[in-house]
Amino acid sequence: EADIYQTPRYLVIGTGKKITLECSQTMGHDKMYWYQQDPGMELHLIHYSYGVNSTEKGDLSSESTVSRIRTEHFPLTLESARPSHTSQYLCASSGIPGTINGYGYTFGSGTRLTVV
Amino acid sequence: KQEVTQIPAALSVPEGENLVLNCSFTDSAIYNLQWFRQDPGKGLTSLLLIQSSQREQTSGRLNASLDKSSGRSTLYIAASQPGDSATYLCAVRRRGSNYKLTFGKGTLLTVNP
Repeated sequence: EADIYQTPRYLVIGTGKKITLECSQTMGHDKMYWYQQDPGMELHLIHYSYGVNSTEKGDLSSESTVSRIRTEHFPLTLESARPSHTSQYLCASSGIPGTINGYGYTFGSGTRLTVV
Repeated sequence: KQEVTQIPAALSVPEGENLVLNCSFTDSAIYNLQWFRQDPGKGLTSLLLIQSSQREQTSGRLNASLDKSSGRSTLYIAASQPGDSATYLCAVRRRGSNYKLTFGKGTLLTVNP
């Protein structure tokens, strides 16, 4: 079934820990994105990728890093988590092949991260 | 720089009412416009996608229109239900933006039974 998956759904972690948020899509999309959303606030693009081995920083500066070694997989990593990283992280993909939304975006369910 | 504004910021209506949500954007050179729904603490669910060459799209009780020249889109919800309560987000993909979306801040809709 074509979809986009994010894990974990919720994560509470201590300051200084390294974390990786997973995002996978089964639609064969070449473009993938990470957005950050604070409660009640708008979405801000923090990373995007046009394909394998292609990654770019988004409009909002972030201490996180991403990689794109496989088309379907776009993980986000925080080397040393801080309370200021507490937020919701949303992954999305776009592109036609096998798509749900044509040229539009398809979003995952998000990861709600709390750093204590 | 593309800016997207959604009005109203919040709306509360009784069940059964028809309603309109508004979205405006400053740069009319868009590739498409997409309406999403977001439930509290959840991801985004795509509702409707309108390509720049289209004037409207319909899905069930939802109808979205696009007037590119005036920089406006509306989302019409017919016969609203309590299950429609959510935040509705408008996002535009500007031409030459490298596929990136610009989001509005959303309209928080509450439908009261």
